[in-house]
Parts: sequence; C-alpha cells; structure tokens
Amino acid sequence: DQQVKQNSPSLSVQEGRISILNCDYTNSMFDYFLWYKKYPAEGPTFLISISSIKDKNEDGRFTVFLNKSAKHLSLHIVPSQPGDSAVYFCAASMNYGGSQGNLIFGKGTKLSVKP
Amino acid sequence: DAGVIQSPRHEVTEMGQEVTLRCKPISGHNSLFWYRQTMMRGLELLIYFNNNVPIDDSGMPEDRFSAKMPNASFSTLKIQPSEPRDSAVYFCASRGFETQYFGPGTRLLVL
Repeated sequence: DQQVKQNSPSLSVQEGRISILNCDYTNSMFDYFLWYKKYPAEGPTFLISISSIKDKNEDGRFTVFLNKSAKHLSLHIVPSQPGDSAVYFCAASMNYGGSQGNLIFGKGTKLSVKP
Repeated sequence: DAGVIQSPRHEVTEMGQEVTLRCKPISGHNSLFWYRQTMMRGLELLIYFNNNVPIDDSGMPEDRFSAKMPNASFSTLKIQPSEPRDSAVYFCASRGFETQYFGPGTRLLVL
C-alpha cells in the first residue's frame, strides 16, 4: 500500500504560468517532506523541503505548502520555465528519536513546460 | 565535492550472471541508501547503512540480492544470479544531516 501518492502522472503547463504538483500521504507520523527533481539519465536532485511544524516554505520560484489535516502537500513553481521540465518526486520521512528515517517516495509527476 | 559516484553507468548481462554495482558516497556522509527504480513500482528502497552497518534490508527482494559496505567510502550491491525482472535503474544515495543526495544511477538490463 502506497504511503505517498502522486496521483497525476503528468502535467503540462505553458511557460510563465504556475505549475502545481500535488502529493498525498497516509501516515500521520511523517514529519518531514521533500521534493526531488529528476532529469532523464540523472539521479534525483533535492529541490525543497518542509518540516511538519511549518505550512509553507519558499525558495525562489519554488514554494511547498503543507496541509497536515488533509495530509496533502503541493509544490508551486512560479513562473514555470522550460528548464523545469522533469519528473518531480514527493518524499516523506519520520523522525525516530532525533534521527531522520528513510524516505518514502511517490511515483513521480512528469512536468512539461511548453515555450 | 564530486557527489555520489556510481559505476558502471550501464550494464547489460545475461540471465544467470553475477552483477556487481558500486557506489562511493559523499565524503563525510554517514548514511548510504540503495534504491531501485522501475516503471511499475517507482523508487523503492532496497537497503540502507548507517556508519557502515546495515540498518534495514527489508526492501531487498530476495536472497539473490546482497549489499556490503566495507568502509565509509565504498558500497556494493550484488545480484547473483541475475534475472530479467531485475532490469531497472539502481540508485545509490548518501545522507549527511537530513537530505539525501543521489548518484546518477546504474541502468541494468538482464537479457
């Protein structure tokens, strides 16, 4: 049973517009969430993270929102650029006595930003 | 820093052969992870090490898979004997504080 779900396998957005990627999780013990970006033939690269004590974290064009009551997080990219075209993975983990546990990944959403 | 280094980048082998994948983590990172990515199952954690000690190998599919970390700068994932269903991209990642950094992956094809 998937604990982290990305229900949209793909998303297409026009350059300059907002991209919104969604992620749902089932385990209420998760307390740390991350987004990774993956280009073809490369490993996933860390993009942005958020702790469960926050509901928003912003880094340049990228903002992650966390809604704990809905067990939902989203990644907003504004404005979207063609170079943002990649597969985006949502991941979650829980803290075990001060040590961060494994990452549980969603299956990814392929974002295509059209010029 | 060169990042996480994996070798080989591509491997094509025949069913029944032994396959060894290698990983060099980022210097100073004390956790190392092996993942497998397939279309059907996405990114799955196979095993992870803390300070060279295997902590959780519950994701290792079966006894054909084994992983070692003889020292802080090197790990191997071995498949013996390999089967066509093992075809996938295998990623190694290392972690310092909270963020995992991934290598470029090894694309394995078992014929």
